Amino acid sequence: QKEVEQNSGPLSVPEGAIASLNCTYSDRGSQSFFWYRQYSGKSPELIMFIYSNGDKEDGRFTAQLNKASQYVSLLIRDSQPSDSATYLCAVGVRNQGGKLIFGQGTELSVKP
Amino acid sequence: DGGITQSPKYLFRKEGQNVTLSCEQNLNHDAMYWYRQDPGQGLRLIYYSQIVNDFQKGDIAEGYSVSREKKESFPLTVTSAQKNPTAFYLCASSRTRNTGELFFGEGSRLTVL
Repeated sequence: QKEVEQNSGPLSVPEGAIASLNCTYSDRGSQSFFWYRQYSGKSPELIMFIYSNGDKEDGRFTAQLNKASQYVSLLIRDSQPSDSATYLCAVGVRNQGGKLIFGQGTELSVKP
Repeated sequence: DGGITQSPKYLFRKEGQNVTLSCEQNLNHDAMYWYRQDPGQGLRLIYYSQIVNDFQKGDIAEGYSVSREKKESFPLTVTSAQKNPTAFYLCASSRTRNTGELFFGEGSRLTVL
C-alpha cells in the first residue's frame, strides 16, 4: 500500500517566522510531488509542485525534494496569519497519470 | 470565468436513498476526479476519468458510480450500498491525464440522516 505521511499538527509559529512542513512517502519510484493548501471548510488549492531533487522557490514558498530519503518539505518564509490552514502533501502514483495519494495534512497556525 | 462548479453544496439524505452530485467544468480539461474527505483526514480517490466515455476506479469506489458522457461533466452517484456516505466530496480536474496539478470545485457536503 503506497503511503504518504505527514505530521497532523497543529504546528504553531509566530508571525514572521519560517514554517516547515514535512512529508514522507513510501514509493521510491514516485516522480511528482505537490503541496495543496486547504482553508477550513474550503476546497484545496495547489500552491507548489516539484519534480526534481533540490529546491524550488515561489515567492515566500520553497518546496524541497530529496528522493533518496523519500522526503519532501514545504517552507513558508515570513509566515502570516493568512497562511493558517491545513497543508496537504500529495504524491503522484507512478505510471498512473494524474492519480495522487494524499497525506492526512498538517494544520498550521500562525499567531500574530 | 473558468472553473469547476459542484452542486449542491449541502445535501441531506435518508439512509437507503441514492443521491447524485453534479460536477461541471469549463476549463477544457481532459481529466476529472472525485475525492472524498473525512474530518481530519486527507483526500481519498473515488473515481477518475482521463477521457470522455472512460473512467477508472480509485481506492474507495465501492458504493459509488460515475459517468463521463461529456468532457465538461462528471457526476457522482452515491448509492445506498455505500455504508458510510457522510463526507465532504470534492470534484477536481486537470489539464491533461498526466499531471497531478488539480483544480478543485468548492465541494459538496453530504450528510446521511
